[in-house]
Amino acid sequence: AQKVTQAQTEISVVEKEDVTLDCVYETRDTTYYLFWYKQPPSGELVFLIRRNSFDEQNEISGRYSWNFQKSTSSFNFTITASQVVDSAVYFCALSGGFKTIFGAGTRLFVKA
Amino acid sequence: NAGVTQTPKFRVLKTGQSMTLLCAQDMNHEYMYWYRQDPGMGLRLIHYSVGEGTTAKGEVPDGYNVSRLKKQNFLLGLESAAPSQTSVYFCASSYSAGVNTGELFFGEGSRLTVL
Repeated sequence: AQKVTQAQTEISVVEKEDVTLDCVYETRDTTYYLFWYKQPPSGELVFLIRRNSFDEQNEISGRYSWNFQKSTSSFNFTITASQVVDSAVYFCALSGGFKTIFGAGTRLFVKA
Repeated sequence: NAGVTQTPKFRVLKTGQSMTLLCAQDMNHEYMYWYRQDPGMGLRLIHYSVGEGTTAKGEVPDGYNVSRLKKQNFLLGLESAAPSQTSVYFCASSYSAGVNTGELFFGEGSRLTVL
């Protein structure tokens, strides 16, 4: 069975701090995909990144970076120099076939 | 380009009533999904479809039925609503799944309250 664990329920930081959101997954599939989505207070779900199981290169996009480590089954997300607009719920997700399952989400508060 | 559209956006039901949520996508995606979002539980997959005329159960299918008669539409039905089905429902679609899974494109959500 597949499972995604986001152990951090809520995180609160002050603007300009760096913050890392943890994601640990379980799967028996050899080919799978990992995702991060953002849900701002307005409620829509916004896709951030997709990573397949054969590509362990870290990725950086502006202030966002992702660290994928198969050895620890983790796909962590770091926001550098956080901003108030980063306040949202962030979901990690796993897909190993036709289904995508989500973690419980981490609510990030960035205070000015 | 509308993307994924859900109707209605809000609905209040009484216990035992039935209703249908409609999801329509204009991206010609094969794969469509219904999720529910509850506080502290993330998004849980209810049912999904890998193409027109197909449906399959997800993580929490009980109490729901679905149909995919047309490729662009995916309907979620509640035959006899229960308070436990109070939730925000999201429809999503994807251009690919399986060996080359693509990201999900979500609708804006439908907030359902069952009294």
